[in-house]
Amino acid sequence: DTGVSQDPRHKITKRGQNVTFRCDPISEHNRLYWYRQTLGQGPEFLTYFQNEAQLEKSRLLSDRFSAERPKGSFSTLEIQRTEQGDSAMYLCASSSLGGPQHFGDGTRLSIL
Amino acid sequence: DQQVKQNSPSLSVQEGRISILNCDYTNSMFDYFLWYKKYPAEGPTFLISISSIKDKNEDGRFTVFLNKSAKHLSLHIVPSQPGDSAVYFCAAKSGGYQKVTFGTGTKLQVIP
Repeated sequence: DTGVSQDPRHKITKRGQNVTFRCDPISEHNRLYWYRQTLGQGPEFLTYFQNEAQLEKSRLLSDRFSAERPKGSFSTLEIQRTEQGDSAMYLCASSSLGGPQHFGDGTRLSIL
Repeated sequence: DQQVKQNSPSLSVQEGRISILNCDYTNSMFDYFLWYKKYPAEGPTFLISISSIKDKNEDGRFTVFLNKSAKHLSLHIVPSQPGDSAVYFCAAKSGGYQKVTFGTGTKLQVIP
């Protein structure tokens, strides 16, 4: 399977804990995106990388959130001191220049 | 504020008939529009897109129409098939920004 891969598929954690998600994009794509989706809503943009540079960030990405793409390949999204409101599906997408964004199947975060 | 609106949460259509999904947007800076399909427990899958310089784009059974003056677009599926049953998201982006803004989705059910 050469699609976008996300790990883990489901994460359950207690409020206040830190969590980290991983995204492996389609190999020839140099652009990578993170979105968050809550029940009944469409995906909401969080951030965008071109290679290793983080070029766009949403105001939804609070100080507790940090995303990295150190070598321009895989990316990680970390949430520190998780809160109930962080419960959501976190989606990663990748694209080539001028191409549509292709999504992974997401990581579902549940905060106890 | 919801810049991309899908006012019909659900739609039921008989197999073989036409499905028409509608979308309205408020941001006049949007110049590229996309439709994604989403099955349960999977990420959104890109279907079809249209640039603001066009008013129609066709790909097989799927056609997207854009009415810029009305800030309205629609997705036509002809003929509809049971496998088309999914949630359809309308999405838009502007200029050189990579952020994609999604609507809340319309759940399509194609009845055999």
